[in-house]
Amino acid sequence: DAKTTQPNSMESNEEEPVHLPCNHSTISGTDYIHWYRQLPSQGPEYVIHGLTSNVNNRMASLAIAEDRKSSTLILHRATLRDAAVYYCILRDAGGTSYGKLTFGQGTILTVHP
Amino acid sequence: SAVISQKPSRDICQRGTSLTIQCQVDSQVTMMFWYRQQPGQSLTLIATANQGSEATYESGFVIDKFPISRPNLTFSTLTVSNMSPEDSSIYLCSVVTSGRWYEQYFGPGTRLTVT
Repeated sequence: DAKTTQPNSMESNEEEPVHLPCNHSTISGTDYIHWYRQLPSQGPEYVIHGLTSNVNNRMASLAIAEDRKSSTLILHRATLRDAAVYYCILRDAGGTSYGKLTFGQGTILTVHP
Repeated sequence: SAVISQKPSRDICQRGTSLTIQCQVDSQVTMMFWYRQQPGQSLTLIATANQGSEATYESGFVIDKFPISRPNLTFSTLTVSNMSPEDSSIYLCSVVTSGRWYEQYFGPGTRLTVT
């Protein structure tokens, strides 16, 4: 599986935008970029995913570099509830790895009031 | 979406014993998985629970240690056998529903402590 690299931790202030980077230089053409987050004492939850184009949903935006070797998860206005570990995961939509998520260490996001 | 419940939510067990963790989903799902999260670590996939057949285990995990059952489309169990303190972890059930292949839902986890 292609690997991702994320900063260990980031900090933000409440109501400010947060840009969480992810490098995936060995991404293959069939890999989707997924983001999950894990709030304290909870299981991970899906945030967003994309293949080539930038994506927006109610939780966040995903900006994907043109060469797909990096991406950025954007939280437009951070809240205290957004404090979590954010995981950037590459996932092949088909084949034998279908459905499997390989979690890295993720980025611990701290949000200050 | 899928709502997942796990039983027990937590347990403290003695080494050498076994614990069976249950995962119940509120709707039929296409795929079910079991993950482990060791203290301070990220999640690691243990196996894919296959309905009506043997689970598919990831490298480093074996059926004798982590037997898994999935009798139907909404239920699965994971047994942690002959436990040692190294098995102290959070065990999470996860599912994928049809039509939303991109979104994997996770249960709240079972926190296991082995003494």
